[in-house]
Amino acid sequence: AAGVIQSPRHLIKEKRETATLKCYPIPRHDTVYWYQQGPGQDPQFLISFYEKMQSDKGSIPDRFSAQQFSDYHSELNMSSLELGDSALYFCASSLDRRAMIETQYFGPGTRLLVL
Amino acid sequence: AQTVTQSQPEMSVQEAETVTLSCTYDTSESDYYLFWYKQPPSRQMILVIRQEAYKQQNATENRFSVNFQKAAKSFSLKISDSQLGDAAMYFCAIRNAGGTSYGKLTFGQGTILTVHP
Repeated sequence: AAGVIQSPRHLIKEKRETATLKCYPIPRHDTVYWYQQGPGQDPQFLISFYEKMQSDKGSIPDRFSAQQFSDYHSELNMSSLELGDSALYFCASSLDRRAMIETQYFGPGTRLLVL
Repeated sequence: AQTVTQSQPEMSVQEAETVTLSCTYDTSESDYYLFWYKQPPSRQMILVIRQEAYKQQNATENRFSVNFQKAAKSFSLKISDSQLGDAAMYFCAIRNAGGTSYGKLTFGQGTILTVHP
């Protein structure tokens, strides 16, 4: 079965640079979630989209922005990168957020290292 | 706001034995879902088991089962016949079924499970 695809899988950037992370949800899934997992920490919710509209926002810095496109893929744009942004960024997708037991399926993550 | 607490940073078990991972949570919502996710060294997040809060029956998935105590806000995971492949970080998580912040998962701090041959 098709899974969530994230690209790139690994990314190395310098401080103050920008980065764009991409997420391709499972086909027919209409909801995308972004999470950030720092070293040795639990995943923290950043932002989510349902049917191309932002549905919820968590602890996402103002330097970050995201959107969901007409084909349901999503991009997380990160500017003015800081050392503390180094983390594993997960994308998860689900079908119809109002369905019973909506299960979020996670992608493999993008490992971002800021030097 | 929701919180999830996993009080066991690390646990270990002998292969073929049974181990229980603890999780407590707090939420003001009356309807919610609870999950256990497994994160092996590859760091992929894999769903292990899920439980609807309105169901009294404990969820079971093969060797994995939960003990859901709604009044006590407790959601422990029991792994029977432990296998080497069960070694991973295990996260407990909660999600609202409605109301505010619908959909997002709130995770606990995680429990590292080591399986000894």
